[in-house]
Amino acid sequence: AQKVTQAQTEISVVEKEDVTLDCVYETRDTTYYLFWYKQPPSGELVFLIRRNSFDEQNEISGRYSWNFQKSTSSFNFTITASQVVDSAVYFCALSAPSTGNQFYFGTGTSLTVIP
Amino acid sequence: DVKVTQSSRYLVKRTGEKVFLECVQDMDHENMFWYRQDPGLGLRLIYFSYDVKMKEKGDIPEGYSVSREKKERFSLILESASTNQTSMYLCASQGGGFQDIQYFGAGTRLSVL
Repeated sequence: AQKVTQAQTEISVVEKEDVTLDCVYETRDTTYYLFWYKQPPSGELVFLIRRNSFDEQNEISGRYSWNFQKSTSSFNFTITASQVVDSAVYFCALSAPSTGNQFYFGTGTSLTVIP
Repeated sequence: DVKVTQSSRYLVKRTGEKVFLECVQDMDHENMFWYRQDPGLGLRLIYFSYDVKMKEKGDIPEGYSVSREKKERFSLILESASTNQTSMYLCASQGGGFQDIQYFGAGTRLSVL
């Protein structure tokens, strides 16, 4: 069975602080993909990153970085020097061949950046 | 640019009404999905479709049905709306296999009174 856990329900930080959003996953598939999405107050989920299970390289995109560790089944997301515009709900998701095209989403982490 | 359009941002309906939520994508994607989002529960899959006239049940199909008569359009139907179907509904489309990105619409916030 596939499962994604985002243990942090809500996080508040002051602007310019760094913040890490945790994502832990479970799967028996050896090939799988992990995703992060951002849902701003407007409601639309916006794709941020996709990572396959064979690529453990960390990725950096501007103030965003992702740390994928198969040994701990984690795919954590860090925002450096947070800004008010980063306030949103962030979802981690997993897909794998054994479950067809279905994505398994975590319950989301609501991030509030205080000016 | 990828575009998934949901016909309504907000809807208010009465208990027992038949409700149609429409979703259109312009990317010629094979796969389309309907999710329901509730606080603390994340996104839960209601139904999905791999092709025209094809549909598969997701995790919470009870009380819902779907229709996909054309590739670009995927409709979610609440046959007889109930108050426990008050929620945010999100549509997504996806080009191919499990590795592909799902693109989402802006969502429809449905209130059933």
